[in-house]
Amino acid sequence: KNEVEQSPQNLTAQEGEFITINCSYSVGISALHWLQQHPGGGIVSLFMLSSGKKKHGRLIATINIQEKHSSLHITASHPRDSAVYICAVRGSGGSNYKLTFGKGTLLTVNP
Amino acid sequence: NAGVMQNPRHLVRRRGQEARLRCSPMKGHSHVYWYRQLPEEGLKFMVYLQKENIIDESGMPKERFSAEFPKEGPSILRIQQVVRGDSAAYFCASSRQGTGILSPLHFGNGTRLTVT
Repeated sequence: KNEVEQSPQNLTAQEGEFITINCSYSVGISALHWLQQHPGGGIVSLFMLSSGKKKHGRLIATINIQEKHSSLHITASHPRDSAVYICAVRGSGGSNYKLTFGKGTLLTVNP
Repeated sequence: NAGVMQNPRHLVRRRGQEARLRCSPMKGHSHVYWYRQLPEEGLKFMVYLQKENIIDESGMPKERFSAEFPKEGPSILRIQQVVRGDSAAYFCASSRQGTGILSPLHFGNGTRLTVT
């Protein structure tokens, strides 16, 4: 079993829909990242969070440390949101620089 | 205010050649991390460097791979005698601070290595 599990693996939505991507992890962490990667493109860090909830524009990220679970929500989705979304956790203590990645969720938003 | 710069964006090498991948961190960042993304697989940590020091290379293959981050110039990931299985996207990230402090990470656009 991977240390970081994402669901779903693939997600297709219509423009305007509300989208949720889930991430569960099995190890102790110091923080969790949500990353975005466009096909053939670079990686952008959307959020780094250790507790609670963060919001940036149409994106919302939440984390429940007790349940070892995080969600990324996209409101009013748009075709330009089509990308791979990757959950990554940072180790705890002296290993908090080390990222362990989920396999990603491929999101396609159709017009 | 340039971000993390990686070059080249694409690199093609024949089996047995050497590949050199370069990463210039963001201004003011002295911590660099390399990751590899194999086709159809997730990203994996390779190595963490500070200026002139390798802090953690636990994710690096034992042979043919090496990394450095000299006092002056970019960080270099070097792959000697490349094989087809080295074909992947290699990403670099940098941060202002390292262990003990949750410093945000900034990623580059990656280098896509193809071994023919």
